[in-house]
Amino acid sequence: RKEVEQDPGPFNVPEGATVAFNCTYSNSASQSFFWYRQDCRKEPKLLMSVYSSGNEDGRFTAQLNRASQYISLLIRDSKLSDSATYLCVVGTSGGSYIPTFGRGTSLIVHP
Amino acid sequence: EAGVTQSPTHLIKTRGQQATLRCSPISGHTSVYWYQQALGLGLQFLLWYDEGEERNRGNFPPRFSGRQFPNYSSELNVNALELEDSALYLCASTAYEQYFGPGTRLTVT
Repeated sequence: RKEVEQDPGPFNVPEGATVAFNCTYSNSASQSFFWYRQDCRKEPKLLMSVYSSGNEDGRFTAQLNRASQYISLLIRDSKLSDSATYLCVVGTSGGSYIPTFGRGTSLIVHP
Repeated sequence: EAGVTQSPTHLIKTRGQQATLRCSPISGHTSVYWYQQALGLGLQFLLWYDEGEERNRGNFPPRFSGRQFPNYSSELNVNALELEDSALYLCASTAYEQYFGPGTRLTVT
């Protein structure tokens, strides 16, 4: 089982749709979780950290389910500009912090 | 506040040559991570530097090396370049979350 797994997609949705991505992780000791957005041939940009209680930033909501070892990202009212690849990142704390990146989920929002 | 900077933006080398990539972290950040992202693949962890020391390295051969300077900027060196080293090389500056530079696109011909 891969350390961090994401459905590669693509998710093809119309403007205004709600779309959700999941990301599963294998290390139960993982303590930090993030979603990044990466546009084609650009660097990843931090979208949001994911907290145990869940968190929301505008149209984006992230949740963590420790029991089932997955995090999710919900995008409401999709915009054309949301088209990108969304990377899930999981890290463990301690002396050797090496975050593990998922391969990403591709989202295409069409008119 | 300036973000993470990387240079050069593009680098073209021939097989067997050596490449040097540079990264300056966000002011106040002492940790720098290097990643390789080959076309169509995910980010692969290369090296982690903190406070001037190498803290960890990923599953890459020894010809991938680097260092961190007293001002926390960092350099990645790739010796004996191979065609499969062609990729986007990203560095990330870290306090808790990671902030990425724009990357260096290395092409090996």
